[in-house]
Parts: sequence; structure tokens; C-alpha cells
Amino acid sequence: DTEVTQTPKHLVMGMTNKKSLKCEQHMGHRAMYWYKQKAKKPPELMFVYSYEKLSINESVPSRFSPECPNSSLLNLHLHALQPEDSALYLCASSQKTSWETQYFGPGTRLLVL
Amino acid sequence: AQSVTQLGSHVSVSEGALVLLRCNYSSSVPPYLFWYVQYPNQGLQLLLKYTSAATLVKGINGFEAEFKKSETSFHLTKPSAHMSDAAEYFCAVKVLNTGNQFYFGTGTSLTVIP
Repeated sequence: DTEVTQTPKHLVMGMTNKKSLKCEQHMGHRAMYWYKQKAKKPPELMFVYSYEKLSINESVPSRFSPECPNSSLLNLHLHALQPEDSALYLCASSQKTSWETQYFGPGTRLLVL
Repeated sequence: AQSVTQLGSHVSVSEGALVLLRCNYSSSVPPYLFWYVQYPNQGLQLLLKYTSAATLVKGINGFEAEFKKSETSFHLTKPSAHMSDAAEYFCAVKVLNTGNQFYFGTGTSLTVIP
């Protein structure tokens, strides 16, 4: 099973809402990543978790809050987002933190009104 | 600093024609190199990767890429384009011993003309 799943597929939220994105993998990978992708642009790294610990935070605003409850799950909690945060949010995982091969989920398309 | 450059943000080919998507990297040591494909409204899928073994790498869907150290290139090719190849293609590089950094190119949008 080389699948990374993400829920929901689509999300519309207001600027005062609180919502969460979920990512799951059952490949035994110990590194998990959140990316943000705008249309026609490459993914931009947001966070990296290594062995359930946050190892990289690419200066992401605090309105994005990641959480890794266990080695299979990765959440991204959203609060007080801005319209410019509308994007495709991609989750990925890799076997270790070596970044050798990342497996991506299908993404959650977020629209902030 | 490491970077990856994809020449041509848009490439159009006729169905059945050769596909050539260009990727050049800048690195003082041979990196790991990757090509990912992204179909509309989907996540990224790994096409192939180079990790210092054979310089000609074969991937899925008939794609292949050749690592050329002298040219610092890792161009993606496919002998005969299919309509289903229309997608966004990203080259990516990871240089060993530089910490956890992984760089994507800016992407090339491939259009296949019937």
C-alpha cells in the first residue's frame, strides 16, 4: 500500500472558522510533510515531522498549527485564515527524513471566504 | 546554494511525438533527482528518480530520464506522447548532507495536441 489519504477533498471556510485537515499513511513512514500549492506553482514546504516530532517549520503563520498524534496521522489545524491562504494543501510522507522518495496525497483544496 | 531550473513553463507536442522536458540543477555534489507529475486536481505522483545508480532511469508510463553530470541535467523524455500525458511536471533535487532540503523546479505544463 503506497497510498497517502487526505480528508476532506474540498473545504470552504470563513475567516473566523476553525477547521482541520487530516492526512493518513500506513506505509510505516516516519517522516510526514505539509505543503501548500497555489495554482500553476510548485508545492511550498510548510512543515516536516520526523518520528512524530516537528523538525521543520518554514516560518508559517501561527494560524496554521500542525499536529502529529502518531506515526500514521498528520493534522493541520486552521484558524482565522485569510483569503490568500486559499490553495491546495498537500500531505506527503517518506520512509525516513532523507527525503529520498516522498509519496503525496491527493490534497485538500481550501477556499477561504 | 542548490537550485533546479526547468526551461519552458509550457510545452506543446503532438500526439505520438517525442516529449522532452528539461531540468538543470546546480550543485557542487551529485544530488538525488526526481521527476513528479501532477494531473489536474490531483496530488503529485513520482515518475522516476536518480539516486546515483544507473544514469539512465526508467520510470512509469514510458518516461525515462538521463542524468548527465557534465551538463548538470536530468531531462525527462518519452518517445511517443499520449493524450493522457497532459499534466504539470515538476523536477526536484535533494542534495545529500545539506540537511532536510528538497527543491522543486517551477514546473512545466505539458499539452498534447491531437
